[in-house]
Amino acid sequence: ETGVTQSPTHLIKTRGQQVTLRCSSQSGHNTVSWYQQALGQGPQFIFQYYREEENGRGNFPPRFSGLQFPNYSSELNVNALELDDSALYLCASSLDGHEQYFGPGTRLTVT
Amino acid sequence: GNSVTQMEGPVTLSEEAFLTINCTYTATGYPSLFWYVQYPGEGLQLLLKATKADDKGSNKGFEATYRKETTSFHLEKGSVQVSDSAVYFCALMGTGRRALTFGSGTRLQVQP
Repeated sequence: ETGVTQSPTHLIKTRGQQVTLRCSSQSGHNTVSWYQQALGQGPQFIFQYYREEENGRGNFPPRFSGLQFPNYSSELNVNALELDDSALYLCASSLDGHEQYFGPGTRLTVT
Repeated sequence: GNSVTQMEGPVTLSEEAFLTINCTYTATGYPSLFWYVQYPGEGLQLLLKATKADDKGSNKGFEATYRKETTSFHLEKGSVQVSDSAVYFCALMGTGRRALTFGSGTRLQVQP
C-alpha cells in the first residue's frame, strides 16, 4: 500500500510569484485535505477536496486554490506569494474525510 | 468554534520516565479526537484516536482516554524511550469530517 506522497520536497520562490504543490493520495482514499504549518505551530486547515469538488475551506484568502483529479491526486496553488506564506504545506488523504493520513510535506520559502 | 489547548513544552524526561501531555478541547457536538506525532523534518503520523466518550485509543505504548465530562484527551506512556523524542499534536475533528483542528504541539525530549 502506497502512502501519501508530495512534491516537491523543498521550494524557494520570490514574493509575488505563483506556486503549485502536488499530492498523491493513499490507495483507496477519495478525500484530500491541505494544511499550512508555520514554524513552531500546529497545522492550519486550508481546504478539503472530495470527489473533485471543494468540500470545506478554512480561513485562507482566494489566492489559495486547489484541484482534485479523477485519480484523487490533488494540487494546491498559491498566487501572489507573500513572505508569510513561508511554511510547511501538508497534504492528508482519507476515505470520506475521517482518519487523515499525512504526507511528508513541502517546505515553501518565500523571499 | 472548535479549539484545542495543549500544555506548553518542551517536556524533558529521562528514559523510562512516565509521560503525560495534557490536552483539552472546545467543540460542539461529539468530535473525534486524535494524537499525531511529528519527528524532525517529517510530516505528521497518526498515533492514536478515539471517536466517542470513554473510548481509549492506544498504540506503541501510548494511551489516551476521551473524557467528555472534562473535555480532555491526555496522552500518557508508562516508560518513554529516546526514540519517542518528537513533537506531539492533539487534534479534533467535528461531525462534518472536514477539518482537523490542532493544538500548538508539545515538544518531548527524552534523555538517555
